[in-house]
Amino acid sequence: EDQVTQSPEALRLQEGESSSLNCSYTVSGLRGLFWYRQDPGKGPEFLFTLYSAGEEKEKERLKATLTKKESFLHITAPKPEDSATYLCAVRSDYGQNFVFGPGTRLSVLP
Amino acid sequence: EPEVTQTPSHQVTQMGQEVILRCVPISNHLYFYWYRQILGQKVEFLVSFYNNEISEKSEIFDDQFSVERPDGSNFTLKIRSTKLEDSAMYFCASSMGANTGELFFGEGSRLTVL
Repeated sequence: EDQVTQSPEALRLQEGESSSLNCSYTVSGLRGLFWYRQDPGKGPEFLFTLYSAGEEKEKERLKATLTKKESFLHITAPKPEDSATYLCAVRSDYGQNFVFGPGTRLSVLP
Repeated sequence: EPEVTQTPSHQVTQMGQEVILRCVPISNHLYFYWYRQILGQKVEFLVSFYNNEISEKSEIFDDQFSVERPDGSNFTLKIRSTKLEDSAMYFCASSMGANTGELFFGEGSRLTVL
């Protein structure tokens, strides 16, 4: 069964304080690993797709990396508007389903 | 920018009533999904739909649930007889293809069952 765990559950940062969020996964044949941002009461907003180990993607202050067992979302010099829950999801070669992790709730304080 | 739209944004219903949640996926997308998120919990897969039929469903998607694409634009989720535990945010999502990855989500329909 495909599984995704994320750590930490919650993270509080000061504005400008860089950090990383972790997503660990087990999947029978990875078709893709996805990062989403979710604001309270809203739908997940797509950030990145990673397909193979060693791949990296960047967008503004965010950078996602992928190994064979985990992915990291690095946040460089975060701002208060980066506060959100960050979700990781995987899709296997054997189905249409995306399996989501529980998320990391990020708070960036001014 | 194209987006997935969902209605209603919030519905309150009595236990045992039927509910229909509606979605308009992105127009050139071919795969459609329903997910749900109980307050404070994970986003959970319910069902995927392709070529006018269900392609995959989870254990949550029992006989009380059904999906339909009644015309070229709408995609609906029906819950026949709602239970208290059906209270959740329901998200519709769509993707362009089986191998082109990313899901695009709507803003959700909050269902409250009393």
